[in-house]
Amino acid sequence: GAVVSQHPSRVICKSGTSVKIECRSLDFQATTMFWYRQFPKQSLMLMATSNEGSKATYEQGVEKDKFLINHAGLTLSTLTVTSAHPEDSSFYICSAPVGGGTDTQYFGPGTRLTVL
Amino acid sequence: SQELEQSPQSLIVQEGKNLTINCTSSKTLYGLYWYKQKYGEGLIFLMMLQKGGEEKSHEKITAKLDEKKQQSSLHITASQPSHAGIYLCGADMDSGTYKYIFGTGTRLKVLA
Repeated sequence: GAVVSQHPSRVICKSGTSVKIECRSLDFQATTMFWYRQFPKQSLMLMATSNEGSKATYEQGVEKDKFLINHAGLTLSTLTVTSAHPEDSSFYICSAPVGGGTDTQYFGPGTRLTVL
Repeated sequence: SQELEQSPQSLIVQEGKNLTINCTSSKTLYGLYWYKQKYGEGLIFLMMLQKGGEEKSHEKITAKLDEKKQQSSLHITASQPSHAGIYLCGADMDSGTYKYIFGTGTRLKVLA
């Protein structure tokens, strides 16, 4: 079945550095992908919509210059956390609708980011 | 803005017991999705409900959506330790956009 992968699964970085997280749709094309963030013991919050070939759209309160999203192909979206700070430490999850008239959407396994 | 509230926030049950998790929306839902998440992992899709009064079952899990499409319940029959995890309800912010909002989650622990 359709699967969404993320890489890396865990990353630890120093404050001020940038971190790139990849989200790939396997076995299907995803012109749209979504990025969510989940803080400990909290629910998932939608950060942005990644659109293939065009600019991402960000939810209110999410800094687009801090969370850079690139969706150059039909199976890959990347989220770059620029100049990461400890408060950016979180669990980042991407999702991709399967499309084709279905309402099915698959979520990646998530990436745990820890900023020291 | 639309919100989803789940109750209870956490639940500890003895193996074999039945349990129910509720998800309530402040607005009419276009679609309601139930997911299971283990701590620090991705989401596992359980069920999708779209029609008022709809009910779906998979193995020992049954989900219902009320007629007004503002409340859903997830019922687990004869719970097992494998059912432990975080249960999240999610809903489309707008019809067909796939942009989800999620409930606050219910942490379930099943004691063997």
